[in-house]
Amino acid sequence: DIQMTQSPSFLSASVGDRVTISCRASRTISNYLNWFQQKPGKAPRLLIFAASSLESGVPSRFSGSGSGTDFTLTINSLQPEDCATYYCYQSYDLPRTFGQGTKVEIK
Amino acid sequence: EVQLAESGGGLVKPGGSLRLSCAASGFAFSDYNMNWVRQAPGKGLEWVSFISSRSYIYYADSVKGRFTISRDNAKNSLFLQMNSLRAEDTAVYYCAKEGSNWSLDYWGQGSLVAVSS
Repeated sequence: DIQMTQSPSFLSASVGDRVTISCRASRTISNYLNWFQQKPGKAPRLLIFAASSLESGVPSRFSGSGSGTDFTLTINSLQPEDCATYYCYQSYDLPRTFGQGTKVEIK
Repeated sequence: EVQLAESGGGLVKPGGSLRLSCAASGFAFSDYNMNWVRQAPGKGLEWVSFISSRSYIYYADSVKGRFTISRDNAKNSLFLQMNSLRAEDTAVYYCAKEGSNWSLDYWGQGSLVAVSS
């Protein structure tokens, strides 16, 4: 099985800051990497697919990069509504796997 | 508009069974792979099961042999039959559509399954 490891598990940043979240796969997954945002009590929302493609309707301050085993989600100019937990997810192989999540707090 | 709506959750005793349903609308259901994902209280997302458009099936080790995924394309519905339920199966269960780019592009609102005596 492919293990997905996210870092950090928690981060606190100020409005306007640039935030980066990392995700590492235990073996290569090409660009089959997706990022989700989840707010309390809500279903996850797709932000980024194919490592760097922005889902329709997602603000352009969100971006993704990487290929192979190392990936990054960047939020440029953090906004109060970005307070949420973020998950990476590999769709390269079965079983599918999620990272453990990164909780983003606004200072 | 794509919509996914889970139903069938509830409280069940350890060892019991439950069947979740997911009603799909707004897209050609038979053409897409579908997944079940769960989230235990206060925990992260856990992928549970996959069924392809042609009914190829895969399970997480944690549910293999106890859960059965199926689909009825004529009724635009996805199912998860859960047997031999354990306390650790307590979670919100989401159905999710897999888009053409292999991502989970649409999710239901979730159905809570609580396993407790």
